[in-house]
Amino acid sequence: EAQVTQNPRYLITVTGKKLTVTCSQNMNHEYMSWYRQDPGLGLRQIYYSMNVEVTDKGDVPEGYKVSRKEKRNFPLILESPSPNQTSLYFCASKATGHSGNTIYFGEGSWLTVV
Amino acid sequence: GIQVEQSPPDLILQEGANSTLRCNFSDSVNNLQWFHQNPWGQLINLFYIPSGTKQNGRLSATTVATERYSLLYISSSQTTDSGVYFCAVEEYGNKLVFGAGTILRVKS
Repeated sequence: EAQVTQNPRYLITVTGKKLTVTCSQNMNHEYMSWYRQDPGLGLRQIYYSMNVEVTDKGDVPEGYKVSRKEKRNFPLILESPSPNQTSLYFCASKATGHSGNTIYFGEGSWLTVV
Repeated sequence: GIQVEQSPPDLILQEGANSTLRCNFSDSVNNLQWFHQNPWGQLINLFYIPSGTKQNGRLSATTVATERYSLLYISSSQTTDSGVYFCAVEEYGNKLVFGAGTILRVKS
């Protein structure tokens, strides 16, 4: 089954404690991306990656890091989380080129920073 | 960048009613998708529809790319249709730009 898997799904953490949200896809997609969703603001892109070892900033990259060492994985790293990073996070992947443009989302990760 | 506007922002329906949700975008696009976010937060693909009309059960969508809008039709609404409906268009670099969404509440 084609899927994007995120972990953890729910997390409460404290300010300053580094955390990583993992994302893995099994569709051999080149493109992967992270979004955050906040009330009244919709989904905003944090970082994206067009392929292995290629990453770029989205609209709201401050306070986040990513890496793309393998095609299937695209972890989101919060080096020193702050309360304003409390949000619902989505990982997504998509094939590029003519092989299909539907974007697939993970189930979301609810993060609370206290 | 591309601006995406959705209307209405909120909609309350009686079960069995029909509705039309609208998405306007400010520039030509190669990709437009509709999503449903259920009460548990999951985003579900409804349609990939850069142009033309598609139907899937009680849902259908039409995109008129030359006039820069898309419509999502929900017929015979059910309580399980409740949630937030997002329209998203693809900008450069495969980036999806989302509208703010339409919150739909279907009452039994």
